[in-house]
Amino acid sequence: DGGITQSPKYLFRKEGQNVTLSCEQNLNHDAMYWYRQDPGQGLRLIYYSQIVNDFQKGDIAEGYSVSREKKESFPLTVTSAQKNPTAFYLCASKGNGYTFGSGTRLTVV
Amino acid sequence: RKEVEQDPGPFNVPEGATVAFNCTYSNSASQSFFWYRQDCRKEPKLLMSVYSSGNEDGRFTAQLNRASQYISLLIRDSKLSDSATYLCVVIAGGFKTIFGAGTRLFVKA
Repeated sequence: DGGITQSPKYLFRKEGQNVTLSCEQNLNHDAMYWYRQDPGQGLRLIYYSQIVNDFQKGDIAEGYSVSREKKESFPLTVTSAQKNPTAFYLCASKGNGYTFGSGTRLTVV
Repeated sequence: RKEVEQDPGPFNVPEGATVAFNCTYSNSASQSFFWYRQDCRKEPKLLMSVYSSGNEDGRFTAQLNRASQYISLLIRDSKLSDSATYLCVVIAGGFKTIFGAGTRLFVKA
């Protein structure tokens, strides 16, 4: 079955450490997105990519980086510059509507 | 004013009740509207699209009021399994998608 796979499900980051969240899709969608969800807030767009080898900053891109070397893959790196990284991260791709991965819950320890 | 606003709730209703949620949006040029359902600590999943003519899917009815810039979701004969957070999603042209913060629903036996 087609879908989006995010890994890991839970991730713990130490202060000053970079971590990378994986997102893979087999839906053949061109557009992929990374969102961050905090309690009581809507999803906020971090980065998006409409085609391979191209990506754009969203509303809250500071402290994050992405790459889009393959259509299927859109990894997100949370850098040490992101001061408040604890959140639920959702990857999505867009066909007729948005399909989301199951999310990665990142906690700073 | 937020671009998309929802009453956060929670709405506490007994099984069998009818409950309605509204979502207002500020951009009059918004083109597409959706309701997503998000279970606790899970990813959002598409519940239904919203059309000007209104649309119904079983116990769920979605309506769009362009003049007053709001969309609504009506759930009839509530089930325990309807307990979730319902996200309003508005697409205002191109890729710009705005997610509401969600309305929490608790259906009790």
